Amino acid sequence: EVQLVQSGAEVKKPGESLKISCKCSGYSFTTYWIGWVRQMPGKGLEWMGIIYPGDSDTRYSPSFQGQVTISADKSISTAYLQWSSLKASDTAMYYCARLDQLLVMNWGQGTLVTVSS
Amino acid sequence: DIQMTQSPPSVSASVGDRVTITCRASQGISSWLAWYQQKPGKAPKLLIYAASSLQSGVPSRFSGSGSGTEFTLTISSLQPEDFSTYYCQQTNTFPITFGQGTRLEIK
Repeated sequence: EVQLVQSGAEVKKPGESLKISCKCSGYSFTTYWIGWVRQMPGKGLEWMGIIYPGDSDTRYSPSFQGQVTISADKSISTAYLQWSSLKASDTAMYYCARLDQLLVMNWGQGTLVTVSS
Repeated sequence: DIQMTQSPPSVSASVGDRVTITCRASQGISSWLAWYQQKPGKAPKLLIYAASSLQSGVPSRFSGSGSGTEFTLTISSLQPEDFSTYYCQQTNTFPITFGQGTRLEIK
């Protein structure tokens, strides 16, 4: 069974750094793209970027280029999303997703990030 | 980037009604379109891929059609569990883009 298990909810202050994770199992981690999706409170779904763990090829949506870093560790089948300096506007639910030709086949359960002073 | 525009933003309907949601792409995407259902506090769920293919386990009252730039999702006879938000997503090229969502509410 394919599973994507995300790290738990986070409460941070503006300016702090953060790295959230997505532990993948039940399939070959290195042969499928993994993506991250943001959902701000009461809003729609936004693609942030994707990574191919096999060779770490990473692509960012224009709105998120330079704002976050997506990475993956093949040795532990885990993808990451990180911020170097959080803003209040980063408050959102973040989902990781396994892609098959840009189609989301599986979703993580979501990680709620709250940024507040 | 390919922009996806859904209409209507929200719709009210009753159990048993037939509902259609439309999604338009800013440029042709052939049949590279998916539909997802999202319930509050939950991750989205894949309903339809390749514009008209029903994902395994999804009830047959859901159907999709279209190609090029115009697509539709139809629910033939609404059930109580169908009241959710629906998103289209183009799977043609990166950056991947979603429509803004259609909220289906009980009348």
